[in-house]
Amino acid sequence: QKEVEQDPGPLSVPEGAIVSLNCTYSNSAFQYFMWYRQYSRKGPELLMYTYSSGNKEDGRFTAQVDKSSKYISLFIRDSQPSDSATYLCAMIKGGSEKLVFGKGTKLTVNP
Amino acid sequence: DSGVTQTPKHLITATGQRVTLRCSPRSGDLSVYWYQQSLDQGLQFLIQYYNGEERAKGNILERFSAQQFPDLHSELNLSSLELGDSALYFCASSPRPKLVTNEQYFGPGTRLTVT
Repeated sequence: QKEVEQDPGPLSVPEGAIVSLNCTYSNSAFQYFMWYRQYSRKGPELLMYTYSSGNKEDGRFTAQVDKSSKYISLFIRDSQPSDSATYLCAMIKGGSEKLVFGKGTKLTVNP
Repeated sequence: DSGVTQTPKHLITATGQRVTLRCSPRSGDLSVYWYQQSLDQGLQFLIQYYNGEERAKGNILERFSAQQFPDLHSELNLSSLELGDSALYFCASSPRPKLVTNEQYFGPGTRLTVT
């Protein structure tokens, strides 16, 4: 079993839809949680990060962490064609130097 | 633009060959991280250097090696290449030795194709 599981999709939604992206993890040592966005032929860029259970909001994006269920989510409201990208979840164990990534979910938002 | 540069953008080579990928970190950043991204394995951490010294190691094969030079640029050397080494190779940089969630910036990557 991989440490971090993420459904690769692809996911296709109409413009304006609410998008839900999810990851599960198996190791309770993970303490820091991130979402990266990666456009085609580009490097990943950090979207959001959090280290506690609960919700964190930034504009149209909300990151949610449920440590008891080992489950994290990213919600995108009012999705736009410019949100079309691959979204990667990533985690760090306490005291570690290593980012562990999910495989990424490819999202397409259709105009 | 993250400020991290990588060369070359694309590299096509044959099995058994050796290649060198280059990364220049953002101005002021002392840490360089190397990652491999393949369809099978996703994005995987390979190795980290901080101010010229190796700091952390991930899933890096023995055929691969890296170094960071006094001017802080880093090179990833891949030898005895196999078809399975075909992937995107990213470097990322950050200012500190310890990984902080919001301080790591990725370069545009080098696409390696082994034929």
